[in-house]
Amino acid sequence: GDSVTQTEGLVTLTKGLPVMLNCTYQTTYSPFLFWYVQHLNEAPKLLLKSSTDNKRTEHQGFYATLHKSSSSFHLQKSSVQLSDSALYFCALTNSAGNKLTFGIGTRVLVRP
Amino acid sequence: GALVYQYPRRTICKSGTSMRMECQAVGFQATSVAWYRQSPQKTFELIALSTVNSAIKYEQNFTQEKFPISHPNLSFSSMTVLNAYLEDRGLYLCGARLGLGVREQYFGPGTRLTVL
Repeated sequence: GDSVTQTEGLVTLTKGLPVMLNCTYQTTYSPFLFWYVQHLNEAPKLLLKSSTDNKRTEHQGFYATLHKSSSSFHLQKSSVQLSDSALYFCALTNSAGNKLTFGIGTRVLVRP
Repeated sequence: GALVYQYPRRTICKSGTSMRMECQAVGFQATSVAWYRQSPQKTFELIALSTVNSAIKYEQNFTQEKFPISHPNLSFSSMTVLNAYLEDRGLYLCGARLGLGVREQYFGPGTRLTVL
């Protein structure tokens, strides 16, 4: 079955620095990748999505590029803000069905 | 934008009792509704997926007998946790899709279940 791997459990960094959260996936079908952000006591919100190979997608300063050759969809931001402190989930669905498979999540903590 | 409401936001029940939670899509018709559980220190576990005109499909380790789901129309779904025990505690999330050709899901804020 499908799987999503996020290698960092916790990322702590100072405001203004760049961040990259890793996401790799496995599926035997055409992939659709997502990044969701979940702030404390809130619903997970869709941040980015992509199904196009090698095309960068951006939203709210975050960006990611789906690379099918390496099965990756890493999330990046050039300069983090305090408000970026949250849980970030990478998720995958595929062309064969409706199921959304989530990674374990990465907690980002931005310090002043 | 698409909004998904869940009720209640928090609930506490005694071990062995049951509780019902609701999911409401506002402003759109959800062609599919997925129920997830986010347990402490874990990611989202898919419990079941309910798609319009299809039977509700439960994931391994989750059954209709334990988590019966009602999906009477395109904007409402409810799920009951029967005979709740400590391992059932967590945040139960409802994710709704806007259309059959839409891949992303929009989530409600969740119902946090505490079992005493």
